[in-house]
Amino acid sequence: AAGVIQSPRHLIKEKRETATLKCYPIPRHDTVYWYQQGPGQDPQFLISFYEKMQSDKGSIPDRFSAQQFSDYHSELNMSSLELGDSALYFCASSSRLAGGIGTQYFGPGTRLLVL
Amino acid sequence: GNSVTQMEGPVTLSEEAFLTINCTYTATGYPSLFWYVQYPGEGLQLLLKATKADDKGSNKGFEATYRKETTSFHLEKGSVQVSDSAVYFCAVGPGGTSYGKLTFGQGTILTVHP
Repeated sequence: AAGVIQSPRHLIKEKRETATLKCYPIPRHDTVYWYQQGPGQDPQFLISFYEKMQSDKGSIPDRFSAQQFSDYHSELNMSSLELGDSALYFCASSSRLAGGIGTQYFGPGTRLLVL
Repeated sequence: GNSVTQMEGPVTLSEEAFLTINCTYTATGYPSLFWYVQYPGEGLQLLLKATKADDKGSNKGFEATYRKETTSFHLEKGSVQVSDSAVYFCAVGPGGTSYGKLTFGQGTILTVHP
């Protein structure tokens, strides 16, 4: 079965640079979530989108922005990168059309290292 | 908001031992409960879930029962294998027909020795 795809899988940036992370949800999934997992920590919710509209917002820095496109893929844009942004960034997708509780399925993550 | 507390690890077991990882939560209403597993260098995989009180989620020999009276969702497995070595996260999400973020516990590192 098709899974959530994230790209790139690894990214190295310098401080103050920008980064763009991409997420391709499971086909026919309409909701995308972004989470940040620091080293040895649990994933923290950043932001979510349903049908291309922002549906919820967590502890996402103002330097970050995100959007969901017409094909349902999502991009997380990160500017003025700081050392503390080094983390594993997960995207998850779910389907409201399928009913039920909208179980979230996670991608493999993008590991961002800021030097 | 919601919160999850997992037993502190790491947990180290011998192969074929019994596993319990405790998880308790605080949430309003009737949340959905999940266990996710993260193998080294990989993403989060859904292990099992339960959506209402007394539901039992099960998968790959792992089980967890939604206990509303004790607000718990403890993970158990009767006989662990080396391949079960991973980090296990308990998570709480919205229930009913709601949709929203997951709140995770701090994770429990499990190491199984031959």
